[in-house]
Amino acid sequence: SQTIHQWPATLVQPVGSPLSLECTVEGTSNPNLYWYRQAAGRGLQLLFYSVGIGQISSEVPQNLSASRPQDRQFILSSKKLLLSDSGFYLCAWSASHLTDTQYFGPGTRLTVL
Amino acid sequence: EDKVVQSPLSLVVHEGDTVTLNCSYEVTNFRSLLWYKQEKKAPTFLFMLTSSGIEKKSGRLSSILDKKELFSILNITATQTGDSAVYLCAVGGENSGAGSYQLTFGKGTKLSVIP
Repeated sequence: SQTIHQWPATLVQPVGSPLSLECTVEGTSNPNLYWYRQAAGRGLQLLFYSVGIGQISSEVPQNLSASRPQDRQFILSSKKLLLSDSGFYLCAWSASHLTDTQYFGPGTRLTVL
Repeated sequence: EDKVVQSPLSLVVHEGDTVTLNCSYEVTNFRSLLWYKQEKKAPTFLFMLTSSGIEKKSGRLSSILDKKELFSILNITATQTGDSAVYLCAVGGENSGAGSYQLTFGKGTKLSVIP
């Protein structure tokens, strides 16, 4: 069966510091991968998605970036965090073009102070 | 721009009540509508609907889609305290020119079930 991991679970970072969040998927090959942010009182906002290694599409202009160095690994990064980057970050996967159903990882709660 | 609107935003009911959650949408090249349940952490998948008028059912939860009127409902019968969560509706549509499918999420309905 497929599982999706994210770490760390929680993170408190000062403004201006770098960020690296990691997501890995097990039990499937060539998944579509997604990064979402969920801010308090708002819906899930799609940040990036990837259909394959090295292929990243950005949905929202911001100081975040994403990379997919391996088939089942997805990384969210920032060189300098802003206060507005605080939120709950979720990674998700779907079985490529076969289905719309996305399955979510446990999430990372990021607080920028 | 794709849009998904859920109502009500929050709801408080007593155990044993039946609730109906609503989701209306406007999306380019609709393909599917999904319901998720989010407790403290990650959303968990409940249903995916693609065809009008066909009810999906899982235990006390059921959902139906109306593609003509562009909405879906999620019903929960005989609610229990464990049903307390945020219920998210998402719609899948084709992102023109990108070659990959996306989901547009509503803001969710927060359901609180009190004993």
